[in-house]
Amino acid sequence: AQKVTQTQTSISVVEKTTVTMDCVYETRDSSYFLFWYKQTASGEIVFLIRQDSYKKENATVGHYSLNFQKPKSSIGLIITATQIEDSAVYFCAMRPVNTGNYKYVFGAGTRLKVIA
Amino acid sequence: DPKIIQKPKYLVAVTGSEKILICEQYLGHNAMYWYRQSAKKPLEFMFSYSYQKLMDNQTASSRFQPQSSKKNHLDLQITALKPDDSATYFCASSQDWLGGQNTLYFGAGTRLSVL
Repeated sequence: AQKVTQTQTSISVVEKTTVTMDCVYETRDSSYFLFWYKQTASGEIVFLIRQDSYKKENATVGHYSLNFQKPKSSIGLIITATQIEDSAVYFCAMRPVNTGNYKYVFGAGTRLKVIA
Repeated sequence: DPKIIQKPKYLVAVTGSEKILICEQYLGHNAMYWYRQSAKKPLEFMFSYSYQKLMDNQTASSRFQPQSSKKNHLDLQITALKPDDSATYFCASSQDWLGGQNTLYFGAGTRLSVL
């Protein structure tokens, strides 16, 4: 069965610093997609960044980047130069490709608090 | 302007009643989904549709019935409501269901409270 685990329940960082949020996943698929989403205080869920498992280069979008370590089944989210507005809950998600199971599986989320 | 519209934003219902949650997407996507988020659980997959065809159903109860009248429209009918159904229901869409254009985009959600 597919599973996504985010062990960090909550993180606090000082504004303008860098934060890394961890995510490990379990799958028997050789190909899959990995995603990070942000849920704001209003409840809105926003797509941030994705990594296709067959790509070796880590994805980067704005001040979000990924640390993809396929042998460890790990996809960390790195936020550089954090801002107060980055305070939110961050979800990691995985979608397998070729086992006939196409459901997205989400982690429980990591709450990030950015303080001035 | 929001590209995935969910109505209503808040909904209060009494136990045993029936409600319909509305979802329309204007992203031109071919696949639509319903997810549920309750207080103590991660986002939970419910249904996926592609070109108005049900592709996957992970909801054990038949009280939850998706309805797709148009490709960009996927409503969720919930009958015989129970207090345990209280949650925020998110509609989502993706360009494709099977292919690589499968990034999910979410609506703002409908927060349902069953009394």
